[in-house]
Amino acid sequence: DAKTTQPTSMDCAEGRAANLPCNHSTISGNEYVYWYRQIHSQGPQYIIHGLKNNETNEMASLIITEDRKSSTLILPHATLRDTAVYYCIVRPLDSGGYQKVTFGTGTKLQVIP
Amino acid sequence: DAGITQSPRHKVTETGTPVTLRCHQTENHRYMYWYRQDPGHGLRLIHYSYGVKDTDKGEVSDGYSVSRSKTEDFLLTLESATSSQTSVYFCAISESEGLGNQPQHFGDGTRLSIL
Repeated sequence: DAKTTQPTSMDCAEGRAANLPCNHSTISGNEYVYWYRQIHSQGPQYIIHGLKNNETNEMASLIITEDRKSSTLILPHATLRDTAVYYCIVRPLDSGGYQKVTFGTGTKLQVIP
Repeated sequence: DAGITQSPRHKVTETGTPVTLRCHQTENHRYMYWYRQDPGHGLRLIHYSYGVKDTDKGEVSDGYSVSRSKTEDFLLTLESATSSQTSVYFCAISESEGLGNQPQHFGDGTRLSIL
């Protein structure tokens, strides 16, 4: 699986958009970009995923660059409940076995009142 | 949220005792997984199941066994618990195995302490 690089931590003012970057310069053509988050003492929560096109759901938007070497997760109006560690992961279309999910160190997002 | 329930949520036990953790899902997903999460190691896969009575080992399976007699239940057993198995254990489910287009959904975890 391709390696991802994320900033260690970020702050965001409540009500503003939170933009979390992820670098995945070694991503291959059959790998999806996934985002999860983990709020303290809870299990990882799936947020969104994409292959090439930008994606939006009720939680967030995912912007993938044209060369697919980086992406940005956007939380449009951050709330205090969005304070969490955010993980960017790449996974192949067909893993050929179990769907191993490898979480890196992620970005600790602190939403400030 | 995916219908995943882990039990117990917290457990303290002594070295050498057997421990069983339960994961129950209401989504009728075929695939179920057990992970452990430790500081500095992230999430590591212990065992997974691809159907009733069909299981396989993950990357840290030593000292653990699993069983899946029903689609909805996946049990993780520590036959003789050791202090190195103190961890937070997460269950996850997914609809399919090989397709990268299917996310895994996680339960809220079981915090296990072995003294």
